[in-house]
Amino acid sequence: DAKTTQPTSMDCAEGRAANLPCNHSTISGNEYVYWYRQIHSQGPQYIIHGLKNNETNEMASLIITEDRKSSTLILPHATLRDTAVYYCIVRVLLYGQNFVFGPGTRLSVLP
Amino acid sequence: EAGVAQSPRYKIIEKRQSVAFWCNPISGHATLYWYQQILGQGPKLLIQFQNNGVVDDSQLPKDRFSAERLKGVDSTLKIQPAKLEDSAVYLCASSLGGSTEAFFGQGTRLTVV
Repeated sequence: DAKTTQPTSMDCAEGRAANLPCNHSTISGNEYVYWYRQIHSQGPQYIIHGLKNNETNEMASLIITEDRKSSTLILPHATLRDTAVYYCIVRVLLYGQNFVFGPGTRLSVLP
Repeated sequence: EAGVAQSPRYKIIEKRQSVAFWCNPISGHATLYWYQQILGQGPKLLIQFQNNGVVDDSQLPKDRFSAERLKGVDSTLKIQPAKLEDSAVYLCASSLGGSTEAFFGQGTRLTVV
């Protein structure tokens, strides 16, 4: 079972920041937080991951709370192409560990 | 860099028939995953390979599903015989090693009628 809890759906206005929350209250000290997204009819796409420090790349920013029990994925300027299902996953970086997906958050970016 | 290639993209079969899916991972990626995604749900792992060895197949219905990864590169997933509940998208993913991010193919959409 997935170890994360996410809202079922969210809306965001085009051009505004999209803030997607994830709760992982039972996260272990050696588990990383990963975010993937899945655009309709495509395979999941890796976005970003982090352990405890905030991370930023060309796609998004990941903010992890100090107690690591929750995190937020931020898309700074959402476009219509960001409409997708976003998955938050916690995972240990060890041999043999796979990615356990929950139902994710369906983000709709509205014009 | 070429991504994960899967074929076919779509397949329709009758129940009790057999079907096979093919996956070519990103060059040099040692870890290969097969996931099943039922409509409206997140992907669920079926089997994970490290090179040509199986790391995890605990959720693979072994009475009807089989997978192989000969020579540690390409992989095939087979269903024999298919059931209606096997209708889903079958996703292949690969990663450099078990601890790095995985890259997914576009998937094969299977419809069993």
